[in-house]
Amino acid sequence: QQPVQSPQAVILREGEDAVINCSSSKALYSVHWYRQKHGEAPVFLMILLKGGEQKGHEKISASFNEKKQQSSLYLTASQLSYSGTYFCGTYQTGANNLFFGTGTRLTVIP
Amino acid sequence: NAGVMQNPRHLVRRRGQEARLRCSPMKGHSHVYWYRQLPEEGLKFMVYLQKENIIDESGMPKERFSAEFPKEGPSILRIQQVVRGDSAAYFCASSPQAGRETQYFGPGTRLLVL
Repeated sequence: QQPVQSPQAVILREGEDAVINCSSSKALYSVHWYRQKHGEAPVFLMILLKGGEQKGHEKISASFNEKKQQSSLYLTASQLSYSGTYFCGTYQTGANNLFFGTGTRLTVIP
Repeated sequence: NAGVMQNPRHLVRRRGQEARLRCSPMKGHSHVYWYRQLPEEGLKFMVYLQKENIIDESGMPKERFSAEFPKEGPSILRIQQVVRGDSAAYFCASSPQAGRETQYFGPGTRLLVL
């Protein structure tokens, strides 16, 4: 039931782009993206509902393909502040709770 | 508007003692979720509660763990007779409506069992 994220880790230089993928073997109602910095709470980034949405948040955007049960998070022109671990959380159809992926550790270096 | 509050932020217990973790949801939120996170791992769902009701406890260990969300006061996650394997960060999240709404996380309680 836990979604699978890829890659597990990525290192970027400032200004570079990255894509983080999240896939599930179950039918999904929604996908939620969070960023967590070391020792801190996860911070909500965005929610995507079924219907093939794509949303944007400054230079961070995401897409959700419900037919493929996949979501991707796009980070463009990365900044040092983007460093952290990114988690996708999925609401499966009929479930009451979020299932979180294993996380993608993103490190942005100068 | 205060966010989700958790206390204590750090808790040290010896094996066999009890740990009580508290969570006050955001104002206007009546749905609370508890998650456990081991070092370098993801968030594992434990339990979902509404006021005075446990909605889903499918992620809770069968023994020693319990949770409540009384009509008045914070939600409490209780771990009896703690063992070293209980050492983890415990996060609480809240949402305004049922199930599929955005969940907002508290700062977490880091439990260390000696």
